Amino acid sequence: DTEVTQTPKHLVMGMTNKKSLKCEQHMGHRAMYWYKQKAKKPPELMFVYSYEKLSINESVPSRFSPECPNSSLLNLHLHALQPEDSALYLCASSQGTEGPYEQYFGPGTRLTVT
Amino acid sequence: SQQGEEDPQALSIQEGENATMNCSYKTSINNLQWYRQNSGRGLVHLILIRSNEREKHSGRLRVTLDTSKKSSSLLITASRAADTASYFCATPGRTSGSRLTFGEGTQLTVNP
Repeated sequence: DTEVTQTPKHLVMGMTNKKSLKCEQHMGHRAMYWYKQKAKKPPELMFVYSYEKLSINESVPSRFSPECPNSSLLNLHLHALQPEDSALYLCASSQGTEGPYEQYFGPGTRLTVT
Repeated sequence: SQQGEEDPQALSIQEGENATMNCSYKTSINNLQWYRQNSGRGLVHLILIRSNEREKHSGRLRVTLDTSKKSSSLLITASRAADTASYFCATPGRTSGSRLTFGEGTQLTVNP
């Protein structure tokens, strides 16, 4: 199974809402990632988890809160977002972080903040 | 800061033609990866080339790496309509190989 799954596919939320994005992989990968991608732009790294510990936070605002409950799951908790946070949020995984390793991406969650 | 820059930004060709995309980067790297993204979907890894490799093939894909010029190219031969997608190069960070920085991408359209 070389699939990374993400739920939901689409999410519309108001600026006062709290929501969560979920990501799952069953490839035994020990590194998981969150990326943000705006339209017609490349993905931008947000967070990296290695062995369930946060190893990289690319100065992401605190209204985005990542969580890695176990080696297969990765969540991104959203609170008090701004309209400019509307984007495609991509989850990815890889064998590790020492690499180089290819990254496997999920299909993404299309987030709209109203 | 943007590590990789790609050109052209957009490329439109006919089925059966070859497509070449170029990527330039700024700092020394030990590997470079290419990814494909179909419209609004996740990225798919295509090829990883290491700094000690000049060329690598995978099916109809050929990737070259010139570390002296800090550039790489992706050639897709005998293109198909299904190759229509955005193509990104990605380079690792200096302190962490997992910290990938993606180029701006090339939007390839293959017309049937």
